[in-house]
Amino acid sequence: DTGVSQNPRHKITKRGQNVTFRCDPISEHNRLYWYRQTLGQGPEFLTYFQNEAQLEKSRLLSDRFSAERPKGSFSTLEIQRTEQGDSAMYLCASSLSPRDTQYFGPGTRLTVL
Amino acid sequence: GNSVTQMEGPVTLSEEAFLTINCTYTATGYPSLFWYVQYPGEGLQLLLKATKADDKGSNKGFEATYRKETTSFHLEKGSVQVSDSAVYFCALKGRAGGTSYGKLTFGQGTILTVHP
Repeated sequence: DTGVSQNPRHKITKRGQNVTFRCDPISEHNRLYWYRQTLGQGPEFLTYFQNEAQLEKSRLLSDRFSAERPKGSFSTLEIQRTEQGDSAMYLCASSLSPRDTQYFGPGTRLTVL
Repeated sequence: GNSVTQMEGPVTLSEEAFLTINCTYTATGYPSLFWYVQYPGEGLQLLLKATKADDKGSNKGFEATYRKETTSFHLEKGSVQVSDSAVYFCALKGRAGGTSYGKLTFGQGTILTVHP
């Protein structure tokens, strides 16, 4: 069991650039979640997938954000035209089913200059 | 919608002191409740959970009881150690059939520092 992995661990970018993060869930986990955590706050839900289907998106996920999970395995989260307000820790979690424990990755810390 | 409120932090204690971190929630129906811990430089880890009223979750000396009447899930430990220094998050997961089923709603986190 290798756990949930996320890459990169850190990303520094300039305002206006596009960035993409990757999450590899625990093998056979059908559910994959993305959360965002800003300094001093708890994680906030962004979106989730059941296999390859994206079933819910938070109001926090503006049109500049897009997430995919092709083939129901790894997932990517892309932010277009980054803004300074996008600076945060982006967390990925996976679970076998909705009722099972979510296991979190180490996160990708994004800094937008 | 669902929400979680944790006690204001940070909390600073001496080793072997008693710990309480308060957590209250607002939710439709009967959610599952969780405490997650985030050690410095590491990802969120599940500490303990309770899925129905009066359940007690416990792990590593930590305990929390699901109190439906007070909508609370306070975290306690009888004797903290320096290694318990971390950020603690209370969270809930909505019940099946609800719009929040599966996703977690977190409190703002409480920083715990334990001194030798």
